[in-house]
Amino acid sequence: EAQVTQNPRYLITVTGKKLTVTCSQNMNHEYMSWYRQDPGLGLRQIYYSMNVEVTDKGDVPEGYKVSRKEKRNFPLILESPSPNQTSLYFCASSPLWIWEVRPGELFFGEGSRLTVL
Amino acid sequence: GENVEQHPSTLSVQEGDSAVIKCTYSDSASNYFPWYKQELGKRPQLIIDIRSNVGEKKDQRIAVTLNKTAKHFSLHITETQPEDSAVYFCAASTSGGLSGTYKYIFGTGTRLKVLA
Repeated sequence: EAQVTQNPRYLITVTGKKLTVTCSQNMNHEYMSWYRQDPGLGLRQIYYSMNVEVTDKGDVPEGYKVSRKEKRNFPLILESPSPNQTSLYFCASSPLWIWEVRPGELFFGEGSRLTVL
Repeated sequence: GENVEQHPSTLSVQEGDSAVIKCTYSDSASNYFPWYKQELGKRPQLIIDIRSNVGEKKDQRIAVTLNKTAKHFSLHITETQPEDSAVYFCAASTSGGLSGTYKYIFGTGTRLKVLA
């Protein structure tokens, strides 16, 4: 089954304790991205990646890091989480060939709800 | 920076009536305008999209219109049903081409309630 898998789905942590949210897709998509969803603010792009070893900042990258060492995985790293990073996080992927001329449909993971105390 | 404004933030309609959600974007380089539906507790899913070279697109009860000059695009749902109740997000995106930019900007969402 084609899917984007995020882990953990739920996490409560404390300020300053490094954490990683994993994202994996089995559709051989080149493009992957991370979003955070907050009430009244919609979905905001954190980082995106065009392919292995190619990443770029979205609109709200502060406090986050990403890496793309393998095509299928795109982990989101919070080196020193703070309470303002409490949010619902979505990973998404899209095939690049659509992007060669136009951007394409995003396939979202189920989301990871993170609470930072 | 670039942004997408979406209105209204909430919308209640009677079952069978039509619903219209409007978005305005700022980046004139945007060339792809998808709409996503997010049911409670679930992930967003694409319901319809439109490219910049098209003015209107229909898929059964839903349609999207685009006015590039005014930088407006709208979602129209006819004959609404209770299962249409959800949060709807519009988005504007720019393909890479020479700019190499692949950003997605989402609107803030519209909570649609269809009253039976």
